[in-house]
Amino acid sequence: DAGVTQSPTHLIKTRGQHVTLRCSPISGHKSVSWYQQVLGQGPQFIFQYYEKEERGRGNFPDRFSARQFPNYSSELNVNALLLGDSALYLCASSSLADSYNEQFFGPGTRLTVL
Amino acid sequence: GDSVTQMEGPVTLSEEAFLTINCTYTATGYPSLFWYVQYPGEGLQLLLKATKADDKGSNKGFEATYRKETTSFHLEKGSVQVSDSAVYFCALSTTGNQFYFGTGTSLTVIP
Repeated sequence: DAGVTQSPTHLIKTRGQHVTLRCSPISGHKSVSWYQQVLGQGPQFIFQYYEKEERGRGNFPDRFSARQFPNYSSELNVNALLLGDSALYLCASSSLADSYNEQFFGPGTRLTVL
Repeated sequence: GDSVTQMEGPVTLSEEAFLTINCTYTATGYPSLFWYVQYPGEGLQLLLKATKADDKGSNKGFEATYRKETTSFHLEKGSVQVSDSAVYFCALSTTGNQFYFGTGTSLTVIP
């Protein structure tokens, strides 16, 4: 079975632009979470979606938004990019909304904002 | 708010040495605790977890015990191998849908 997949692998944008990152969960998983990992730091929680509904939101500005589609894939959108948005963006899927179960992480999308 | 404080790295050990990576937490509720590992060039993988006080999580020779009295979840392994070289992250979840990660501890094991 394929694991969590994310696209694109790498992305370079300039300040003020908009970006969309995509994630496909493991087949059968209905929960998708997004994390931002700045170099040298641990992942920071951004959003969790389950059955197309937002179940959790971290301490990120409104420039960050996400959605989940009927096939459980998900998009993370970031508007008005800032230099500080440069990071590895991780997607994780799990079978239940209750993330006490294992979360499976994708390889991430490396975003560079110039 | 909820948070995890993790031992600063990097840590360098000789093969077969004993490993301890300290992790303490602050949480308003009753968190579940996790250790994740990130091998070079790979994504995060769950190493072990414990969901209530006094539980011991274990996997691949690694162990961690959920200590409510000291709010700790220290990772230990009796004899490390070169293949254990990776970055280790302690994490907690109280609501079940939001994880808090530590800053990570880089471990290098030399032959």
